[in-house]
Amino acid sequence: SQTIHQWPATLVQPVGSPLSLECTVEGTSNPNLYWYRQAAGRGLQLLFYSVGIGQISSEVPQNLSASRPQDRQFILSSKKLLLSDSGFYLCAWSAIWTSGSRTSDTQYFGPGTRLTVL
Amino acid sequence: QKEVEQNSGPLSVPEGAIASLNCTYSDRGSQSFFWYRQYSGKSPELIMFIYSNGDKEDGRFTAQLNKASQYVSLLIRDSQPSDSATYLCAVSGYRTGTASKLTFGTGTRLQVTL
Repeated sequence: SQTIHQWPATLVQPVGSPLSLECTVEGTSNPNLYWYRQAAGRGLQLLFYSVGIGQISSEVPQNLSASRPQDRQFILSSKKLLLSDSGFYLCAWSAIWTSGSRTSDTQYFGPGTRLTVL
Repeated sequence: QKEVEQNSGPLSVPEGAIASLNCTYSDRGSQSFFWYRQYSGKSPELIMFIYSNGDKEDGRFTAQLNKASQYVSLLIRDSQPSDSATYLCAVSGYRTGTASKLTFGTGTRLQVTL
């Protein structure tokens, strides 16, 4: 079965400090990977997605970046954190399925990292 | 701008009753529709998905889709206190060879009372 890990689980960082959040997936190969952010009281916002090693698509221009150095590893980074970067960061992977003539995929979330920027 | 709308709630139902959660979406090209449950402080957990008009049942959960009305709902039968959570509706328009991009609603908070 597939498992997705994220670390750290919680993080408190000062404004202007760097950030590195890591996500790894087990039990599948070549998954699509996603980074979302959920700010307090708000919906999930897609930040980045990746369909393969080194392939990153950005959804929201900001001071965050993502990398995918290995097939099942996805990293979210920042050189200098802002107060507005606080939130719950979620990594997800998706399983592609086919039913008849229809192909789609389903996303599964990791446990998340709660980031507080002070 | 693709939008997914949900009533934020809280929706309060007594234990054993049917909870009805609703969601509307703006993009007629949306192909797949998902319901996630999120407990406070935890990550979203997939409950079920639907892609054809009509009903889809899984245990106590039934998803309903009406593409003409751009409406999707989730019914929870025999609601239990453990069902108290925020329910997120999400839609996507998957294309083969790319990544799907889910658009989420802000969620409906469900409270099941004793």
